[in-house]
Amino acid sequence: KQEVTQIPAALSVPEGENLVLNCSFTDSAIYNLQWFRQDPGKGLTSLLLIQSSQREQTSGRLNASLDKSSGRSTLYIAASQPGDSATYLCAVRQAGTALIFGKGTTLSVSS
Amino acid sequence: DTAVSQTPKYLVTQMGNDKSIKCEQNLGHDTMYWYKQDSKKFLKIMFSYNNKELIINETVPNRFSPKSPDKAHLNLHINSLELGDSAVYFCASSQVPIGLAGYNEQFFGPGTRLTVL
Repeated sequence: KQEVTQIPAALSVPEGENLVLNCSFTDSAIYNLQWFRQDPGKGLTSLLLIQSSQREQTSGRLNASLDKSSGRSTLYIAASQPGDSATYLCAVRQAGTALIFGKGTTLSVSS
Repeated sequence: DTAVSQTPKYLVTQMGNDKSIKCEQNLGHDTMYWYKQDSKKFLKIMFSYNNKELIINETVPNRFSPKSPDKAHLNLHINSLELGDSAVYFCASSQVPIGLAGYNEQFFGPGTRLTVL
């Protein structure tokens, strides 16, 4: 049974720092991996989707990598800003399943 | 232009009542989902429909009954509400159905916060 783990559960950094959020999954037979952002009391915003055949995806200051064989993904945020404060969720999709989520990393960026 | 919309945003009700949450997507997607986010913020799939057909039904009590009148709508009806049903319910949609390996970015609605008293 697929399990998705995100470390750390919470992270606090000063503005301007580069940071990495980690996601690991136990079954490497995935179709794709998707990173989301969730602001308090809000829905999920899709940030990046990486297909299983891809190694990374970039959008602005965000870069997501995928190492399927080792069951790992990272989300790199460059030059963090207070507006980046949110919970970041990682989710994988496999054959016959909807998204399987990790429990998220809550990021706080102080000015 | 809201891609995936849900109503209501907040729902407060008494135990034992029956309530419905509506979801609509204007993305032209074939597949829709209901997820539940519990008090610990953990998101888990409940149901998935592809072209109005039920594809996934996780171990959800049969008090929960999804209804898809057309592929743009997936409503969730809950009978005999219990305290443990309190959660945030998210609707989502995607282009590619379950089981296919294509590019399948999922788009989520804003959520419905259900509180059962």
